[in-house]
Amino acid sequence: DTGVSQNPRHKITKRGQNVTFRCDPISEHNRLYWYRQTLGQGPEFLTYFQNEAQLEKSRLLSDRFSAERPKGSFSTLEIQRTEQGDSAMYLCASSLGLRSTDNTEAFFGQGTRLTVV
Amino acid sequence: AQRVTQPEKLLSVFKGAPVELKCNYSYSGSPELFWYVQYSRQRLQLLLRHISRESIKGFTADLNKGETSFHLKKPFAQEEDSAMYYCALISRNRGSTLGRLYFGRGTQLTVWP
Repeated sequence: DTGVSQNPRHKITKRGQNVTFRCDPISEHNRLYWYRQTLGQGPEFLTYFQNEAQLEKSRLLSDRFSAERPKGSFSTLEIQRTEQGDSAMYLCASSLGLRSTDNTEAFFGQGTRLTVV
Repeated sequence: AQRVTQPEKLLSVFKGAPVELKCNYSYSGSPELFWYVQYSRQRLQLLLRHISRESIKGFTADLNKGETSFHLKKPFAQEEDSAMYYCALISRNRGSTLGRLYFGRGTQLTVWP
């Protein structure tokens, strides 16, 4: 599968623990997004990278959340001191944007389902 | 603020019947509208976008700026169309996050045999 890859697919953690998720985008894609999806809702934007630069963060991304894309390839999303409200599906998407006006198709990974107990 | 509304959480039709999934949006500007689909146990994928003006798997969607709607339609539903459908928009306003999608809550379509 040469699409967007996310690991792990499932994560169960105790409240207060730290978790880290990984996203490997499609190799030539320069744009990378993280979304969060809770039950009965559509995905909500968390953050955006263009190459290695994190250009936008949602208000949903509290101080306990941090994301990186160190070499402009894979990205990690870390949640510190997890809370039950963090339980959700975390989706990664990537796209190729060569010009600032491009809104090319975003390709999604299968997501990481986090359960905080 | 950008907002996408899908009024129906669930929609059921019989095979061969027409289907329309509703989507309304609020946006001060000229957005790009999309429909994404998620089949059972598969990832979210793009179905169609309004600027392409194409029909995918028999589905079409017309952007109605007067009614701020982007309803998804298919004249004859098939069982394999059963899936979760999300309407989404991207802002074209200056300063907006490039490619950031605003999603509706989704409509679960079930097509009965």
